[in-house]
Amino acid sequence: AQKVTQAQTEISVVEKEDVTLDCVYETRDTTYYLFWYKQPPSGELVFLIRRNSFDEQNEISGRYSWNFQKSTSSFNFTITASQVVDSAVYFCALSPNNAGNMLTFGGGTRLMVKP
Amino acid sequence: DAGITQSPRHKVTETGTPVTLRCHQTENHRYMYWYRQDPGHGLRLIHYSYGVKDTDKGEVSDGYSVSRSKTEDFLLTLESATSSQTSVYFCAISNPGQGVVGNIQYFGAGTRLSVL
Repeated sequence: AQKVTQAQTEISVVEKEDVTLDCVYETRDTTYYLFWYKQPPSGELVFLIRRNSFDEQNEISGRYSWNFQKSTSSFNFTITASQVVDSAVYFCALSPNNAGNMLTFGGGTRLMVKP
Repeated sequence: DAGITQSPRHKVTETGTPVTLRCHQTENHRYMYWYRQDPGHGLRLIHYSYGVKDTDKGEVSDGYSVSRSKTEDFLLTLESATSSQTSVYFCAISNPGQGVVGNIQYFGAGTRLSVL
């Protein structure tokens, strides 16, 4: 069975602060995918990143960066210099590395960025 | 944005009535999924489809059925709605493969269902 834990249910920061969202996962699969999605107040789910388990390189995209550590089963997401528009619920998700991958989601972290 | 349309976007119904939610895609993706979102649970898979007429159950399938008669349409039916099925329902699509977009699920805008 797969499990994703996002222990931080809510985080509040002031604009321009850096913030890290934690994600810890459990799986028996030797290969798998990890994902982050953003759900802004409007409600849609926006894909942010997909990481394959055999690729442990960290990734940076603008103010966003992701730290994947297989040894600790973690896939953390950092927003640098946060902005009000970053306010959203962020979901971490896990799937097997096969066709028709069913996603297992964490419970989500609500990030509030105050001006 | 992926071409995924969910209808209706909002629905209020009464306990015991049948309800059908529709997901329509224009991307010709092979896989389609139905999830429900509830506070504290993230999203949980209800059913998924891996081709026309090919479907399977997810984590929370009790009380739900699905059908896929065409590649582009995936229907979710609540045969007799209950208050516990009040939720936001999301449809998603994906294609297999190791390419840039392989195995990435793209989501529709969601349907908010209230069962009174």
